[in-house]
Amino acid sequence: DVKVTQSSRYLVKRTGEKVFLECVQDMDHENMFWYRQDPGLGLRLIYFSYDVKMKEKGDIPEGYSVSREKKERFSLILESASTNQTSMYLCASSSPGTATELSNQPQHFGDGTRLSIL
Amino acid sequence: AQTVTQSQPEMSVQEAETVTLSCTYDTSESDYYLFWYKQPPSRQMILVIRQEAYKQQNATENRFSVNFQKAAKSFSLKISDSQLGDAAMYFCAYNRGSSNTGKLIFGQGTTLQVKP
Repeated sequence: DVKVTQSSRYLVKRTGEKVFLECVQDMDHENMFWYRQDPGLGLRLIYFSYDVKMKEKGDIPEGYSVSREKKERFSLILESASTNQTSMYLCASSSPGTATELSNQPQHFGDGTRLSIL
Repeated sequence: AQTVTQSQPEMSVQEAETVTLSCTYDTSESDYYLFWYKQPPSRQMILVIRQEAYKQQNATENRFSVNFQKAAKSFSLKISDSQLGDAAMYFCAYNRGSSNTGKLIFGQGTTLQVKP
């Protein structure tokens, strides 16, 4: 089974701090994703990466950056945390393939990190 | 831009009964994929079922089936013989057929309560 591990289940940080959320997958997946989940809004894509050191902005990238130095690890960085970044953060990965295969590939999710910014 | 809408924030069903969760989407694409994901209270999201838009036959996975109406852009999930373990938040998701990244667009989610 694919395992996607997020480093923290719960995290409390202060406004203005630099925050790192870590995600590791063990299935050699090319694609990795960071989402935030808010009530009534579902999951919204922040950033994704389709290869080492390759990244693209998702729908809500403002205030975030990412790092992918190794294939198995994808980090989300809050450069200067703000209270409106309090949320549940979910990491996911999916396997590579042709364009058609990619569209049909399920994403495998971690347990999530509930981040509170005070 | 593509959008996915789940208009039922909460649903409940009696154990052993059948429940249907609704999902509509908006796209101008003709080739795409649709998914239902389940997020139990433990929070790890898992895939329940998926449907290719070019297939007319509705997908089925054991007690889970979909009613895919392409013209109406509707993709509902039917859970038969509901079990207590089906209690979760369910998300409908869309992916373009020509996507080379596997990006998903999610609906708002429906929380399903199963009553014993």
